[in-house]
Amino acid sequence: DQQVKQNSPSLSVQEGRISILNCDYTNSMFDYFLWYKKYPAEGPTFLISISSIKDKNEDGRFTVFLNKSAKHLSLHIVPSQPGDSAVYFCAASTFNDMRFGAGTRLTVKP
Amino acid sequence: DGGITQSPKYLFRKEGQNVTLSCEQNLNHDAMYWYRQDPGQGLRLIYYSQIVNDFQKGDIAEGYSVSREKKESFPLTVTSAQKNPTAFYLCASNPPGLNTGAFFGQGTRLTVV
Repeated sequence: DQQVKQNSPSLSVQEGRISILNCDYTNSMFDYFLWYKKYPAEGPTFLISISSIKDKNEDGRFTVFLNKSAKHLSLHIVPSQPGDSAVYFCAASTFNDMRFGAGTRLTVKP
Repeated sequence: DGGITQSPKYLFRKEGQNVTLSCEQNLNHDAMYWYRQDPGQGLRLIYYSQIVNDFQKGDIAEGYSVSREKKESFPLTVTSAQKNPTAFYLCASNPPGLNTGAFFGQGTRLTVV
């Protein structure tokens, strides 16, 4: 039972444009949501997070939006840069558990 | 420097053998996790531990075992009962309060030969 879903396995955008990565979850007990970036053969690195009591969190070029009623969150990257090309994992957590989506491979073309 | 270390980076196992993957952290984190990554499936939770001498099964615990005798260490044993062990294994630890995100090791790629 996959509690966190990223339905787009890949996304390709032009440099300078916006990248929007989506994530859906099923467990209403999740109270924290995170995005991780991963390069091949490396561990994921933390990118940005949002508490369930907020609907938006911004950090530089990265913004995460949370829609609790829809159980949906998204990561916006503006402007996208070639160095952003990686696999992005959405994660959802309770105080003692953390579950991940399958990841979306983002390719930013120069 | 504080961090989380997994070893070895590459591991080859013969069918029927048990192997143990090491995960050590010096971040003083209570929570530690083991995930498995397969192509197209993201990170799936194998086991997690919130405190020394306690651990819980994740989504895919069958064929795996763990121990948590020390706060710093959370080794994962892949037993012969695990039918498809070839995968990339990631260990993570979490500070209290999740807003800073988990710290991950560099991973161990296990291949059955």
